[in-house]
Amino acid sequence: EPEVTQTPSHQVTQMGQEVILRCVPISNHLYFYWYRQILGQKVEFLVSFYNNEISEKSEIFDDQFSVERPDGSNFTLKIRSTKLEDSAMYFCASMKGAVADTQYFGPGTRLTVL
Amino acid sequence: QQQVKQSPQSLIVQKGGISIINCAYENTAFDYFPWYQQFPGKGPALLIAIRPDVSEKKEGRFTISFNKSAKQFSLHIMDSQPGDSATYFCAASKGAAGNKLTFGGGTRVLVKP
Repeated sequence: EPEVTQTPSHQVTQMGQEVILRCVPISNHLYFYWYRQILGQKVEFLVSFYNNEISEKSEIFDDQFSVERPDGSNFTLKIRSTKLEDSAMYFCASMKGAVADTQYFGPGTRLTVL
Repeated sequence: QQQVKQSPQSLIVQKGGISIINCAYENTAFDYFPWYQQFPGKGPALLIAIRPDVSEKKEGRFTISFNKSAKQFSLHIMDSQPGDSATYFCAASKGAAGNKLTFGGGTRVLVKP
């Protein structure tokens, strides 16, 4: 069964450093998302991406964040200058495209900012 | 108005018992209500979902009940098993394709053997 994959599974970085989190969505999906989950808290929407552009972003997704689909398979989230409060589990999700279709989540990348 | 409130935060149930998790929403534009199951260290996985044109949906041991007028929906896990021990999240989204999911706070369910 196709699945969303994410790398790395765990990233440790120093405050102020740039990180890139990578995702490979399911191949025939058209909508891509990043969500994050701070330890013990709920899953929060960051950004959605469709047709090579951001379709919606949350307040969390400020100028320090960017997303890119550099080729036909990868979907990346970049944090330019990490802060301690960016420490969280970051989930990539993809959806085929029908209305109210299922969003499939990857296993997540645990980001630890020291 | 975008919030989805979920209760209880945690739940302990004996094997074979019924687990009930409740969610309430405010935004009447929401019209898709999925439940996700998350095991430790894993991403959320869709369990079951409902649209507001039906009041109940059942898949195996899992049932969603939906009350549109009260803006509430709930997940019932019948004959709970130790393998059901996980965190459950309700969520909601608006109708258009590609819209984000707004998640509830999660319920950690522990099924005791």
